[in-house]
Amino acid sequence: EVQLVESGGGLVQPGRSLRLSCTASGFTFGDYAMSWFRQAPGKGLEWVGFIRSKAYGGTTEYAASVKGRFTISRDDSKSIAYLQMNSLKTEDTAVYYCTRVQPPTFDIWGQGTMVTVSS
Amino acid sequence: QSALTQPASVSGSPGQSITISCTGTSSDVGSYNLVSWYQQHPGKAPKLMIYEGSKRPSGVSNRFSGSKSGNTASLTISGLQAEDEADYYCCSYAGSSTYYVFGTGTKVTVL
Repeated sequence: EVQLVESGGGLVQPGRSLRLSCTASGFTFGDYAMSWFRQAPGKGLEWVGFIRSKAYGGTTEYAASVKGRFTISRDDSKSIAYLQMNSLKTEDTAVYYCTRVQPPTFDIWGQGTMVTVSS
Repeated sequence: QSALTQPASVSGSPGQSITISCTGTSSDVGSYNLVSWYQQHPGKAPKLMIYEGSKRPSGVSNRFSGSKSGNTASLTISGLQAEDEADYYCCSYAGSSTYYVFGTGTKVTVL
């Protein structure tokens, strides 16, 4: 079964850092780009960024709202994608989802992990 | 980059058809045939329903269809069923600077 499982969410103070993980199973992880999204409580979806597969350079792209603070990386040997979040703000509070990229869309979604930024 | 505009809510009776609009600009919806639609039930992850404007992933009911005219994309649900009650979001590719922009979301209610 194709599956994505996010982990690492929790309560963190403003200005601190947090790293989320997305563990994939059921497909050849290294063949796919991976993306992160978020959804603030009661709000809509927002694209955060994505990382290309190694075949396409493994490069990353980010939304303007997180550029310079968030970093996406991947470990193909472990089938894990990461979202490193630094300098967190209260407005980063959201459920964070990872997805598989099946260009040009996002076909598999994880169940999400909640990040709360509060003092 | 502004969010794509969707109606806040749409409702219909079982068996009816409803259409959800998604209005963007010439920089996103109007420039690319790369609109996708996602269904989200409360407390659940989004599910891909339509991609590239009108294509259905395997396993998605053919009651769901997509189209586009100019800067507006649309999702039509025919033969409305109770299980279709959910939030629906459109998403468009918006070029290699912004990349992806989402719609404001539409709550579908089955009366």
